[in-house]
Amino acid sequence: QVQLQESGPGLVKPSETLSLTCTVSGGSISNYYWSWIRQPPGKGLEWIAYIFHSGSTNYNPSLKSRVTISLDTSKNQFSLKLSSVTATDTAIYYCARGLTMFDPWGQGARVTVSS
Amino acid sequence: EIVLTQSPGTLSLSPGERATLSCRASQSVSSRFLAWYQQKPGQSPRLLIYGASTRATGIPDRFSGSGSGTDFTLTISRLEPEDFAVYYCQQYGSSPITFGGGTKVEI
Repeated sequence: QVQLQESGPGLVKPSETLSLTCTVSGGSISNYYWSWIRQPPGKGLEWIAYIFHSGSTNYNPSLKSRVTISLDTSKNQFSLKLSSVTATDTAIYYCARGLTMFDPWGQGARVTVSS
Repeated sequence: EIVLTQSPGTLSLSPGERATLSCRASQSVSSRFLAWYQQKPGQSPRLLIYGASTRATGIPDRFSGSGSGTDFTLTISRLEPEDFAVYYCQQYGSSPITFGGGTKVEI
């Protein structure tokens, strides 16, 4: 069965760029949509972006100016970059497969923005 | 942007009781693009229902979804101890994809 695993720094300084990678195992990254979703501490879920295996992307307008999502099919990975972070970007960042629905999800990467 | 409003915010029930959770959309959402998730403390969300009423693989039949247009419902027919969690609805009727604020089902 397909499994997803997020990786990246757990602490990012304000104004810097948050970078996370999601590694897909147990299946190919091809022919699916892949998404990033985040959850601030004690709060609800916010969709960030998705990418199709062809490379087409879509971003949440609230974050679009700061977000880049990319794909590396050779490594079966996709990545998220969020620039100019502030404390409000502190959250658990999840990667997930899907577009109209998300399944499965990774276990989440906790990222704190602090100096 | 389609705003999803979930109610109630918290539902206090006992094992064996029926839970009815509501998700109301600010605009009509195609039933094909309405999903429900369960999230337990310290865990990732788990897909329960997609297409408004289709159970995901491995989801017990005590979970059911219904609704159309702007009003959707998740029903848990008889609460088991492991069902106490937070539940979220999610739509992709139009971009951006949005989630409701969640309903906590507590004992």
